[in-house]
Amino acid sequence: DTEVTQTPKHLVMGMTNKKSLKCEQHMGHRAMYWYKQKAKKPPELMFVYSYEKLSINESVPSRFSPECPNSSLLNLHLHALQPEDSALYLCASSPGLLGAKNIQYFGAGTRLSVL
Amino acid sequence: EDQVTQSPEALRLQEGESSSLNCSYTVSGLRGLFWYRQDPGKGPEFLFTLYSAGEEKEKERLKATLTKKESFLHITAPKPEDSATYLCAVRGFQGGSEKLVFGKGTKLTVNP
Repeated sequence: DTEVTQTPKHLVMGMTNKKSLKCEQHMGHRAMYWYKQKAKKPPELMFVYSYEKLSINESVPSRFSPECPNSSLLNLHLHALQPEDSALYLCASSPGLLGAKNIQYFGAGTRLSVL
Repeated sequence: EDQVTQSPEALRLQEGESSSLNCSYTVSGLRGLFWYRQDPGKGPEFLFTLYSAGEEKEKERLKATLTKKESFLHITAPKPEDSATYLCAVRGFQGGSEKLVFGKGTKLTVNP
């Protein structure tokens, strides 16, 4: 089983709202990722967690705040977003962080619209 | 800087008409090349990973090959359900970390 579950599937929020995206995996993977994907563009890496610690932050604005409460869960807290932040947000996980055999498995994504 | 270029951007085939998608790359310390399939509004679905030049992998109507500079995804006798965007990604070692770098994808449409 290579399932990564993301909730919600769709989210509409105003620029003053606070919301959270959730991601869960039960494959025992120790690395988890957040990507942002705009229409007709490839996924862009935002954050990487390894063993529940933030490993990579790709200079993402502070209105995006990641959290890894335990090895199975990954959250992305959203606050004061801009309309240009509307996109498909993808979560992925892999067994580890380094090494060629650490394949990333993706969830179905959360479609976010900021009004 | 790691780079991945996919061609063509879009490809239309008739059912049963075989073809190939291309992925050319430049990477520091290749840690693997990955092919994913992505349906509209969904997350990428893992297809293959290739590690060294000369390696080949097959799955149903798909076959992936790797050279030192590019990879091909061959589609034999495609069916309409093969319609999707196919993403190529490389993992390189840079600045003490490994990251996946994606190409822009090839949108494949297979007409019945």
